[in-house]
Amino acid sequence: RKEVEQDPGPFNVPEGATVAFNCTYSNSASQSFFWYRQDCRKEPKLLMSVYSSGNEDGRFTAQLNRASQYISLLIRDSKLSDSATYLCVVNSLGGTASKLTFGTGTRLQVTL
Amino acid sequence: NAGVMQNPRHLVRRRGQEARLRCSPMKGHSHVYWYRQLPEEGLKFMVYLQKENIIDESGMPKERFSAEFPKEGPSILRIQQVVRGDSAAYFCASSPRGLSSYEQYFGPGTRLTVT
Repeated sequence: RKEVEQDPGPFNVPEGATVAFNCTYSNSASQSFFWYRQDCRKEPKLLMSVYSSGNEDGRFTAQLNRASQYISLLIRDSKLSDSATYLCVVNSLGGTASKLTFGTGTRLQVTL
Repeated sequence: NAGVMQNPRHLVRRRGQEARLRCSPMKGHSHVYWYRQLPEEGLKFMVYLQKENIIDESGMPKERFSAEFPKEGPSILRIQQVVRGDSAAYFCASSPRGLSSYEQYFGPGTRLTVT
């Protein structure tokens, strides 16, 4: 079983739609959680950290369910510029270890 | 504030040659990480370094690969005697601290092609 699992998609949605991505992780000792965005042939860019209480940044909402080992990302009012691959990222070791484990990503295509 | 810098952006090597990839972290960041992304795959952790120290190299292949982060200058990822399977994008990331809660910021990557 992969450490971080995501539906690869692609998700094809019209502009203005709401879309949700899910992610599960296998290591219950995981400490920190992030969503990164990666455009084609570019580097991953941090979208947002994910907290147990849930957090929102504009049109983006991230939630964490530690009991189910599940992370979600909700994008409201999708824009064409949201088209990218969204990477679920987990830091599986606490303390001073800082190795990120990436999911393979969910591809989003927003269309007119 | 310049971001993470990597060079070269593209590198072509013939089988058997050496590849040297360089990474300069963001200003104020002393923790550097290297990741590899094979075509159509996710990023995989390779190594985590602080100045003059390798902290975690659990993702590094046992042979031909080495990394360093000297007191002065950039971090270097070195691949000796490259093979076709080494063709990938190599990303460097940096953070201000090594704690798990700190976000990592990525450089633009070096795309290595082995012919």
